[in-house]
Amino acid sequence: GAVVSQHPSWVICKSGTSVKIECRSLDFQATTMFWYRQFPKQSLMLMATSNEGSKATYEQGVEKDKFLINHASLTLSTLTVTSAHPEDSSFYICSAQGSNQPQHFGDGTRLSIL
Amino acid sequence: KQEVTQIPAALSVPEGENLVLNCSFTDSAIYNLQWFRQDPGKGLTSLLLIQSSQREQTSGRLNASLDKSSGRSTLYIAASQPGDSATYLCAVYGGNQFYFGTGTSLTVIP
Repeated sequence: GAVVSQHPSWVICKSGTSVKIECRSLDFQATTMFWYRQFPKQSLMLMATSNEGSKATYEQGVEKDKFLINHASLTLSTLTVTSAHPEDSSFYICSAQGSNQPQHFGDGTRLSIL
Repeated sequence: KQEVTQIPAALSVPEGENLVLNCSFTDSAIYNLQWFRQDPGKGLTSLLLIQSSQREQTSGRLNASLDKSSGRSTLYIAASQPGDSATYLCAVYGGNQFYFGTGTSLTVIP
């Protein structure tokens, strides 16, 4: 079946640094990629949707200047959390979708900001 | 805006018991409904997908039903096992995005 790889799986960094998370579709072309955030004991909330070669569409309340999304190829999207602060600590999950295909989810990245 | 609610939030059952997880949604204009499993600190594993035109789907010991008009879905797990312990998420797909419930945390006691 379709595989989506997310890297890193866990990252700890100091407040003020920027962190990049990668999402790759390993065996299919992902025309659309989605980024979700999940706080403890809460559900997944969609942050943004990105189509290859286009600017990402952000959900209301998500700062596009803080969460930079790049979808430069059909197999790779990146989420960069800029100047991360402790309140950005969360579990970030990506999903990838090919044309007329269901979404396939990555294993998530746990981000801890000290 | 679509809202998805799952009841109960947590459930603990002895091994071998049959159980039902509930999901409700406010907007019946959905494309499909999907049940996922999430282990601690992990991503999502798709269990069952029900298209809006379908009433139920079965896979092994799992059976999911959908009543779109009333905005409800159930996930039935037969003969529960300790390995079934996880959080189960219900998600409806509509308007080009998923809307997730907050999940039911299931513990199956050996």
